[in-house]
Amino acid sequence: EPEVTQTPSHQVTQMGQEVILRCVPISNHLYFYWYRQILGQKVEFLVSFYNNEISEKSEIFDDQFSVERPDGSNFTLKIRSTKLEDSAMYFCASNRDRLETQYFGPGTRLLVL
Amino acid sequence: SQQGEEDPQALSIQEGENATMNCSYKTSINNLQWYRQNSGRGLVHLILIRSNEREKHSGRLRVTLDTSKKSSSLLITASRAADTASYFCATVARGSTLGRLYFGRGTQLTVWP
Repeated sequence: EPEVTQTPSHQVTQMGQEVILRCVPISNHLYFYWYRQILGQKVEFLVSFYNNEISEKSEIFDDQFSVERPDGSNFTLKIRSTKLEDSAMYFCASNRDRLETQYFGPGTRLLVL
Repeated sequence: SQQGEEDPQALSIQEGENATMNCSYKTSINNLQWYRQNSGRGLVHLILIRSNEREKHSGRLRVTLDTSKKSSSLLITASRAADTASYFCATVARGSTLGRLYFGRGTQLTVWP
């Protein structure tokens, strides 16, 4: 069964550094999402992406965040200058239609020191 | 806000017993999705139920939806130790054109052998 994959599984970085989190959505899916989960807290929406542009972003998704679909398979989240509070599990998700099941990847655990 | 809220926050049962988790939400929905998360791992989709549906089954899982009460329940029958995980409900708002999911805080289910 097709799966959403994410790399790396873990990333440790220094405050102020840039990180790029990578995702490969399910191949026939058209809608892509990033969510994050700070330890012990609820899963929070960051951004949705469709037709090569951002569809919606939350208040968390400020100017230090950006997303890109550089080719036909990858979907990336870039954090330009990481802060301590960016430490979280980041999940990528995708679906064929925005009102259908969202399939999540295994997540990237980001630790900012 | 739209977020679903689950209760109880934690549930501890013996193998073979049934587990019932509840979810409430605040505004009208298009659909409600239940996910499972093993400790520190990814989100696994369980069931999607649409606003015009009242009940859905999948194996040992039964989900009900009461839109008049803005609530849903997830029943796991004949629980197993492997069902130990956190369970989240997530909603897509009615009229959503973008598919954003709003998550609750989850119920931590522990099933003792």
